[in-house]
Amino acid sequence: SQQGEEDPQALSIQEGENATMNCSYKTSINNLQWYRQNSGRGLVHLILIRSNEREKHSGRLRVTLDTSKKSSSLLITASRAADTASYFCATDRGSGGSNYKLTFGKGTLLTVNP
Amino acid sequence: NAGVTQTPKFQVLKTGQSMTLQCAQDMNHEYMSWYRQDPGMGLRLIHYSVGAGITDQGEVPNGYNVSRSTTEDFPLRLLSAAPSQTSVYFCASSLISNQPQHFGDGTRLSIL
Repeated sequence: SQQGEEDPQALSIQEGENATMNCSYKTSINNLQWYRQNSGRGLVHLILIRSNEREKHSGRLRVTLDTSKKSSSLLITASRAADTASYFCATDRGSGGSNYKLTFGKGTLLTVNP
Repeated sequence: NAGVTQTPKFQVLKTGQSMTLQCAQDMNHEYMSWYRQDPGMGLRLIHYSVGAGITDQGEVPNGYNVSRSTTEDFPLRLLSAAPSQTSVYFCASSLISNQPQHFGDGTRLSIL
């Protein structure tokens, strides 16, 4: 079963705008991660947020985590055409961290128009 | 470093054939995993390994076998290919259990 579900399924914006993607999950987690996938390529890790963290930044990325609502959001600021990709959230369900057996959502396809 | 290398990149099989998807990593990672990605389904875990000689089943293990004789290699075997196994297969690895995974570029498999 899918642990994470991203929303929206697809998002189209103009270069320079901000993009926000949301992820909901069902069971308790140790951490939540966001990955990017360019067309025809493998997944690339973007950011990991642990269950005791509420917000994390990395460059133009901002991730929030609300464990009471079982949800997370990924914000990409000042988007670029190169940000065009699919974005996935992933959660682990093991004790003590088990990022080698992740559960992925279905992804959000982000298109950034020049 | 090459990272995680998957071969072949593309493969077409007939129903009933068997084959092995190769995955190798040169980062001395203990943890390795196989996922499949289907349209609209995200990635689903097939099998994983926490070290040489140790493997376990994931969410969708039926029809697949794995072994881990070395730290570097984690092959995935399709015993008797079925059209339902048409998918993109990704191998991933991580150094320790609570660190993010590194992914290969995938094997695109079609079964006729």
